[in-house]
Amino acid sequence: RKEVEQDPGPFNVPEGATVAFNCTYSNSASQSFFWYRQDCRKEPKLLMSVYSSGNEDGRFTAQLNRASQYISLLIRDSKLSDSATYLCVVKSGGSYIPTFGRGTSLIVHP
Amino acid sequence: NAGVTQTPKFQVLKTGQSMTLQCAQDMNHNSMYWYRQDPGMGLRLIYYSASEGTTDKGEVPNGYNVSRLNKREFSLRLESAAPSQTSVYFCASSQGSPADTQYFGPGTRLTVL
Repeated sequence: RKEVEQDPGPFNVPEGATVAFNCTYSNSASQSFFWYRQDCRKEPKLLMSVYSSGNEDGRFTAQLNRASQYISLLIRDSKLSDSATYLCVVKSGGSYIPTFGRGTSLIVHP
Repeated sequence: NAGVTQTPKFQVLKTGQSMTLQCAQDMNHNSMYWYRQDPGMGLRLIYYSASEGTTDKGEVPNGYNVSRLNKREFSLRLESAAPSQTSVYFCASSQGSPADTQYFGPGTRLTVL
């Protein structure tokens, strides 16, 4: 079983839709969680960190469920510019070495 | 403030040739990393350097060597390139704590014929 698993998609949604991605992790000692965004042929960039209480940044909401060992990303009112690959990233306790999921592809169409 | 820079952006090699990928960061970060990204495989860690003077193997180190030249620079060397090393290579840096985030360079697209 891979340490960090994501549904590769693609998720193909119309503009204005709400879409949610899940990511599961296998190491129960994981402590730090992030979502990165990667545009086609570009480098990954931090979208948001994921906090235990959940956090929101505009149209984006991230949640952490430690009991079930998954994190989620909710995108509301999707824009064409949201089309990208979303990478789930997990760090285990005390480690600065992140483990990346393979990414979930999102395509937002008019 | 350029962040993380990588050179070259593109490179084509023949099997058996050697080359060095350069990476530099101007954020005074302690930790630096080299990844490769292949279709369907996600980002895989090749080597990392937790701090100046230290380097460690990641998930896929075979065929590569690294040098942490100073706090700013971390290079990746392919001694004898193979077609299996055709990939996109990303360098990244971070402060080096569990909660911090990584900043990536723009990548080097390498093709080995």
